[in-house]
Amino acid sequence: DAGVIQSPRHEVTEMGQEVTLRCKPISGHDYLFWYRQTMMRGLELLIYFNNNVPIDDSGMPEDRFSAKMPNASFSTLKIQPSEPRDSAVYFCASRPGLAGKSEQFFGPGTRLTVL
Amino acid sequence: AQRVTQPEKLLSVFKGAPVELKCNYSYSGSPELFWYVQYSRQRLQLLLRHISRESIKGFTADLNKGETSFHLKKPFAQEEDSAMYYCALRTGNTGKLIFGQGTTLQVKP
Repeated sequence: DAGVIQSPRHEVTEMGQEVTLRCKPISGHDYLFWYRQTMMRGLELLIYFNNNVPIDDSGMPEDRFSAKMPNASFSTLKIQPSEPRDSAVYFCASRPGLAGKSEQFFGPGTRLTVL
Repeated sequence: AQRVTQPEKLLSVFKGAPVELKCNYSYSGSPELFWYVQYSRQRLQLLLRHISRESIKGFTADLNKGETSFHLKKPFAQEEDSAMYYCALRTGNTGKLIFGQGTTLQVKP
């Protein structure tokens, strides 16, 4: 199993452009999480899904951010329009259902730079 | 409010010295605590969880409900322990984790 897959690994864009980050969770995992990592704020949960349904999006910074999970094997995080302060590493993670071990498995992250 | 606090952004020690990375949490219910580690150019991965009461790579962490702490300890640090460490809290019956700000551990030769 390749684990959680994210693309692209690096993204450089200009302010005002739309950015789409992609995630493929581990097959069979019921939960998917999007995090943002910055030096100042550490690891922040943006949104998470259970069985493709958004459960908690209270961490999404503002309306410029949106996330979708059209099926169990794919999710996107979109920023439109992007701003320099959105520059960060964005992680996707997935985990099995609540029964048993509750470990989250992380992807390699997407490093976003907004100029 | 549910919160995890890691007071140190950077902890620098010499090889062989003891290490303690501090973690305090705020939660009124029964918490589930974790330590995650991110080595250079690698993914964030689970190091240990309090319910397992295990030692991984020489690290241990004890949940102290009275002090609401879950400090990570190792008696003799190794250079390969250099990494970013995150303490995380799971509250209630959800899959959600709340992470602290992280502590970078630097072990010098």
